Amino acid sequence: RKEVEQDPGPFNVPEGATVAFNCTYSNSASQSFFWYRQDCRKEPKLLMSVYSSGNEDGRFTAQLNRASQYISLLIRDSKLSDSATYLCVVKDNAGNMLTFGGGTRLMVKP
Amino acid sequence: GAVVSQHPSWVICKSGTSVKIECRSLDFQATTMFWYRQFPKQSLMLMATSNEGSKATYEQGVEKDKFLINHASLTLSTLTVTSAHPEDSSFYICSAYTPVNSPLHFGNGTRLTVT
Repeated sequence: RKEVEQDPGPFNVPEGATVAFNCTYSNSASQSFFWYRQDCRKEPKLLMSVYSSGNEDGRFTAQLNRASQYISLLIRDSKLSDSATYLCVVKDNAGNMLTFGGGTRLMVKP
Repeated sequence: GAVVSQHPSWVICKSGTSVKIECRSLDFQATTMFWYRQFPKQSLMLMATSNEGSKATYEQGVEKDKFLINHASLTLSTLTVTSAHPEDSSFYICSAYTPVNSPLHFGNGTRLTVT
């Protein structure tokens, strides 16, 4: 089993739709969690950190479920510009090891 | 915000050439830097982790003699692809972070094409 798993997709959604991705992790001692966005042929860019209490940034909501060991990303009112690959990143409790999920590809269509 | 600069952005070279890629943290000291490789339509693959002043730790399957990493200062790490071959053509990305609960900061990546 991979340490950090994501559904590779692609998720094809119409503009305005709400879409959610999950990312499961196997190390129960993982400390920090992040969502990154990667556009084609570009470097990943931090979208948002994921806090224990859940956090929201505009149309994006991130949540952490420690009991079930997954994080989620919810995108409301999808825009064409949201089309990208979304990567989850998990940092271990020592802060020394970062593990990437394989990414989930989102395609928002008109 | 924190910025990581990677250079060059794109390089085309002939087979057998060695290529050096630089990764600099511009406004913070990066105790740890990571080097990744990404083939088309695939996820990022960690190649190695380097800590300033010590030898890099390579992931399984990555040849340390082929991918030379030097992290001589807190703001600079270099990756040298020695005797590059067409199969080394890929997107190489560096990243850096400082330990205190902060996310990774990525360089803009280097697209290497070996002909």
